Amino acid sequence: DIQMTQSPSSLSASIGDRVTISCRASQSISSHLNWYQQTPGKAPNLLIFAASSLQSGVPSRFSGSGSGTDFTLTISSLQPEDFATYYCQQSYSIPHIFGQGTKLEIK
Amino acid sequence: QVQLQESGPGLVKPSGTLSLTCGVSGDSISSIYWWSWVRQPPGKGLEWIGEIYQSGTTNYNPSLKSRVTISVDKSKNQFSLKLSSVTAADTALYYCARKGMTGFVGQYYYYMDVWGKGTTVTVSS
Repeated sequence: DIQMTQSPSSLSASIGDRVTISCRASQSISSHLNWYQQTPGKAPNLLIFAASSLQSGVPSRFSGSGSGTDFTLTISSLQPEDFATYYCQQSYSIPHIFGQGTKLEIK
Repeated sequence: QVQLQESGPGLVKPSGTLSLTCGVSGDSISSIYWWSWVRQPPGKGLEWIGEIYQSGTTNYNPSLKSRVTISVDKSKNQFSLKLSSVTAADTALYYCARKGMTGFVGQYYYYMDVWGKGTTVTVSS
């Protein structure tokens, strides 16, 4: 199985900050990497697919980059609704493993 | 607008079988997509369980493969999850999701673009 490792596991930031979350695959997954946002009590919401494609309806302050084994999710200017947990997921091979999550908290 | 809705018992006894159904509205289960199950133990991260295509072809997480069965019912536009020999470790919030796709032949990208609200299953006597 391809393992996905996110860093950091948690992060404190302020409104307006630029934030980056990293995700590393245990082997190359090309650009088959997705990012999801999950707020408490809600289902995950797709933000980014294919490493850098913004899902319809997702604000443009979210962006994704990377290929191969190293990927990044960037939020350019944090808004109150962005405080949530973020997960990466590889869709290169079965099983489609998720990263362990990064919890973004208000500083 | 595509919507998914999980249903099934919220309490299952240890060593029993967990059975959930995901009803699909706004799309046909016979369309081009794969249909997935994901779970989330309390306070923990997301675990991919498996998926099914309209043809009945399935893919499972090897960690659960010996206990999992996913099936599709085209007549009811729904798909189902069965997990046998459950223990307390199977207590979780269970989600169904659609695996969307984009790209072209030879290079498709897959992602879970539509999710149900989730249903909590507790394994306890």
